[in-house]
Order: sequence, then C-alpha cells, then structure tokens
Amino acid sequence: SQQGEEDPQALSIQEGENATMNCSYKTSINNLQWYRQNSGRGLVHLILIRSNEREKHSGRLRVTLDTSKKSSSLLITASRAADTASYFCATPNSGGSNYKLTFGKGTLLTVNP
Amino acid sequence: DADVTQTPRNRITKTGKRIMLECSQTKGHDRMYWYRQDPGLGLRLIYYSFDVKDINKGEISDGYSVSRQAQAKFSLSLESAIPNQTALYFCATSGSGSGETQYFGPGTRLLVL
Repeated sequence: SQQGEEDPQALSIQEGENATMNCSYKTSINNLQWYRQNSGRGLVHLILIRSNEREKHSGRLRVTLDTSKKSSSLLITASRAADTASYFCATPNSGGSNYKLTFGKGTLLTVNP
Repeated sequence: DADVTQTPRNRITKTGKRIMLECSQTKGHDRMYWYRQDPGLGLRLIYYSFDVKDINKGEISDGYSVSRQAQAKFSLSLESAIPNQTALYFCATSGSGSGETQYFGPGTRLLVL
C-alpha cells in the first residue's frame, strides 16, 4: 500500500527560484526521508527527519514535518540546473520496521537554465 | 554509489527465459533489498534480507526469487521472464551504521520481449 504521496507530480521552475515539494502519508511514523533520483540512476539519500523534529536543514535543503497533518515538505532554495531530478519521500513500512521503506511516486523537478 | 554494484546494467531477454540480476556491496551492511521501478508507480519492494539467513517477501514477490549468497551478495532471479517484468531494478542496502538510510545501486534496465 502507498504510504507516502508526493505533490505535485511535476514541477518546472527557472534557475535561482525555490522549489517546494510536499509529501503526505497515512499512518504514524517515527521518521521520514527524502531521496533524489537523477534520470535512470539509483536513488540518493538527501535527508532524514525524525518525528520529534519540526524542521531540518542541509545546505540548500530545508525539510519540515507536521505529524498532526501527516505531511512533510522539501524546499530547495536557489535552485540550479543540476537539481533537475525526481524527488521521493520514504517512510518506514506501516508494519513497524524502520528498515523497510515505502516510497512515494515522486515529484519530477525540472530546473530551466 | 560505487559501494553498491549491480550486474548487468542492461539486459534484453525473451519471454520464458531465466535470468539473474546480481548485487554486491562493500559497505558491510547486513540488510539488502530489491526494488523495481515502473513509470508512474514509483519503487516497489520485491524482496528483502536482514541477514544471510533471513529473507522476506516484499509487496510484489510473485515471479521472482532471491538468493543471499553472502553478507555482501544478494541476487534476484526471474525464473521465467514475462514482458510485464520489463522495468528498472534496484538493489539497496542499509546497516546498523546507516540506520534507516538506504544506499542504492545504479540499477539494471531489463527488457523482456
């Protein structure tokens, strides 16, 4: 079953603009992760936020988590053409294991030079 | 991530053939996973293994089998390939040092004719 769902499915912006992607999930979690996938390549872990955290930063990335709304957002500031990729949120499987993840369908971000 | 390798990277096969996809890792992780990715469906878990003697089915295991030959090696087999198994296949690992974060291989693009 799909735990995380990203929104929007696709996003196109100009270089230098900020990009915001959202993820909604269904059941309680103790952490949420974001991954990036360049076209046809393996996923790369970006950031993990735990349920007791509301916001986390890593370079140009800012992730928020609202457990009351069961949602997370990923903000990429001052975007670059190299940020063009698909972005996925991932949550621990609803079965409870932190070591099994369920991935959303992703947001395809295109950053135009 | 060069620490997780997959062979072959591309494979074309015919319906009914048996094929094996191999995954090796040098990260020393005990947990390994096989996913498939289809356009519009995101990543779906096929099988996962928490150690050499612990292998578990994921959400779409029918038509697939796996073998964990060693801590570092996890192979996925399609006993009798069918066209709807055409997809991008990823191996991933995680371990006690990485916690919940998963590290992905570069993927195998499989086409079943």
